[in-house]
Amino acid sequence: AQSVSQHNHHVILSEAASLELGCNYSYGGTVNLFWYVQYPGQHLQLLLKYFSGDPLVKGIKGFEAEFIKSKFSFNLRKPSVQWSDTAEYFCAVNARSSGSARQLTFGSGTQLTVLP
Amino acid sequence: DSGVTQTPKHLITATGQRVTLRCSPRSGDLSVYWYQQSLDQGLQFLIQYYNGEERAKGNILERFSAQQFPDLHSELNLSSLELGDSALYFCASSVELASYNEQFFGPGTRLTVL
Repeated sequence: AQSVSQHNHHVILSEAASLELGCNYSYGGTVNLFWYVQYPGQHLQLLLKYFSGDPLVKGIKGFEAEFIKSKFSFNLRKPSVQWSDTAEYFCAVNARSSGSARQLTFGSGTQLTVLP
Repeated sequence: DSGVTQTPKHLITATGQRVTLRCSPRSGDLSVYWYQQSLDQGLQFLIQYYNGEERAKGNILERFSAQQFPDLHSELNLSSLELGDSALYFCASSVELASYNEQFFGPGTRLTVL
């Protein structure tokens, strides 16, 4: 079974600072990778996803993530954060082909607080 | 707004009771997923239905069951409720079965068991 680790539980940044949130997964096969964001009081929304091709993926709102297969990592980055990026960020993975395919396994989440 | 609706938004009940959570997927989506989000377990996959049939099961307790109806809405039934069942229950939907399809999440139902 797959698992996902997000090592940063709470990150506090000032506006305009750069962001990198770590995500590592554990699974021996081919995976699809996702970053979801949950703004306060709202539903989970997809930021970006990777399933094949260019390992550098660009998402909405200026976010990007890089899939490094050798490190089993899919870190989320943004060059300059804004106050409106304050939210909880979840990394998720599903196995490309297995009995549990399409079942998303989520990390524990990282709460990002951006100070104005 | 993701297009996925869930009712009720909040539910407060007592131990030993039974509740039903309802989810309507986005128009055209055939697949429905249920997730549980709690402080100690995080976001966990419970079960998936596709076009009325169960397709995948995660860490779903035997006291919990779900179904998807012909109009594609889904219900999650939780019975013999325990304090530890207090959590946020999310429903998500996607167009089809492909593993890279985005899942669209509803606003969730917050269940409090007293």
